[in-house]
Amino acid sequence: GAGVSQSPRYKVAKRGQDVALRCDPISGHVSLFWYQQALGQGPEFLTYFQNEAQLDKSGLPSDRFFAERPEGSVSTLKIQRTQQEDSAVYLCASSLGLHTGELFFGEGSRLTVL
Amino acid sequence: SQELEQSPQSLIVQEGKNLTINCTSSKTLYGLYWYKQKYGEGLIFLMMLQKGGEEKSHEKITAKLDEKKQQSSLHITASQPSHAGIYLCGADWARGSQGNLIFGKGTKLSVKP
Repeated sequence: GAGVSQSPRYKVAKRGQDVALRCDPISGHVSLFWYQQALGQGPEFLTYFQNEAQLDKSGLPSDRFFAERPEGSVSTLKIQRTQQEDSAVYLCASSLGLHTGELFFGEGSRLTVL
Repeated sequence: SQELEQSPQSLIVQEGKNLTINCTSSKTLYGLYWYKQKYGEGLIFLMMLQKGGEEKSHEKITAKLDEKKQQSSLHITASQPSHAGIYLCGADWARGSQGNLIFGKGTKLSVKP
């Protein structure tokens, strides 16, 4: 596609529910990143993929968070047993490869946990 | 991240005025990136700086990286309402890093017509 596409744009979940957020990166982009952005804050790094390999998941806040990119293109971020503190915008970004300078961001998925 | 401080946190300027936003790193930068974000949208890449003393411009926006590569400034000349948004600096600290950026908290810019 022309840009990074994320879905859903908005998700309201009851506490304890599982949610799945999808990211379609720009075709051909090797690197894919997930960020979490709380209200009024900058994006916080969650995890990084190079093709299908998850090379860094140091930013995932707990074992309730899980990300995958099985075929090296589309990625899914799954949050199990959601908590109120999980409410945030989840941003996906892709780039051609390492040190290419520019990360291309999607518009984000806004998660609200009630 | 406290390792990357942005100032001011917010800024309101009259249309046509110049303004500067600063980004200070607690350690030497390998690369410094400026992004702009509008409410409810993703981040739009503005500029990347890597060399000490480097300066880049895009339309009315100029960004500089100091010689020690620990501070960057973003300067907007003759601001317009279209410049309004949140400006974020992102740091890449390691030459061998994977490319993920650490972001500051952002500077919210409002431009009064």
